[in-house]
Amino acid sequence: DQQVKQNSPSLSVQEGRISILNCDYTNSMFDYFLWYKKYPAEGPTFLISISSIKDKNEDGRFTVFLNKSAKHLSLHIVPSQPGDSAVYFCAAVAGGTSYGKLTFGQGTILTVHP
Amino acid sequence: GAVVSQHPSWVICKSGTSVKIECRSLDFQATTMFWYRQFPKQSLMLMATSNEGSKATYEQGVEKDKFLINHASLTLSTLTVTSAHPEDSSFYICSARRGGPGDTQYFGPGTRLTVL
Repeated sequence: DQQVKQNSPSLSVQEGRISILNCDYTNSMFDYFLWYKKYPAEGPTFLISISSIKDKNEDGRFTVFLNKSAKHLSLHIVPSQPGDSAVYFCAAVAGGTSYGKLTFGQGTILTVHP
Repeated sequence: GAVVSQHPSWVICKSGTSVKIECRSLDFQATTMFWYRQFPKQSLMLMATSNEGSKATYEQGVEKDKFLINHASLTLSTLTVTSAHPEDSSFYICSARRGGPGDTQYFGPGTRLTVL
C-alpha cells in the first residue's frame, strides 16, 4: 500500500524553465511534508518542508504547494539549473506517530538540460 | 552542522557472513536514528527506528533477528546484517534526528552492500 505516490518517474526540463514535481498521498493523518534531493549512491538531502496548516512555503528557487483537500503537493523549481538534476523524493509524516517516521514516495528523476 | 556519516561506504561479503554498518551523527546528539533500505529505482523503505538506550522498533516485514540494530550512544547506531544472503544486497541509509518528531532528519551518505 503506497501511501505516498510520485506518479511521474522522470521529468525533463530546459535550463531556466520551471520544474514542477508532483506528489499525492492517501493517509489523511499526514500533516507534515518534506522534499528531499538525492544523487546516486548518496543519502537524501533535505530541501524544503511544509506543515499542513500552510498551503505554500518558499525558499529561494524552491516553492512547495500543498492542497490538502486534494491530498496533493508539488515542488516548483524556478529557474531550473543543470545542477538540479537528481532524484527528488517527497515524504510525509503523521503527527502523533511515535518517532515521526517518514513515508517516502518512489521518487522522480529530474533532468535539466543546458 | 548536522552531518551524518556512515561506514563503510561500500562492502562486499560472502553469503552467510555478517556485516556491520555504522551510522554516526558528527556534530549533534541524535535522540533518534532511522535505518532505511533502497532497492534500485525504488523508494527508501524504513526498516527500523531506534532511540538511544532502547530497543529498536522494526517495521512490519523486517526480520529483527536478521537486521540487528544497536543505538548505544547519542551519536552512534549500528546495523548488523546477520547471515547475509544475495537478496540482502541493497543500499542502506541511516538518518539521525536531533529532537522530537517535528525535527528534521539528516541522512547519511549510505552504504552499498553486495552479498556474493
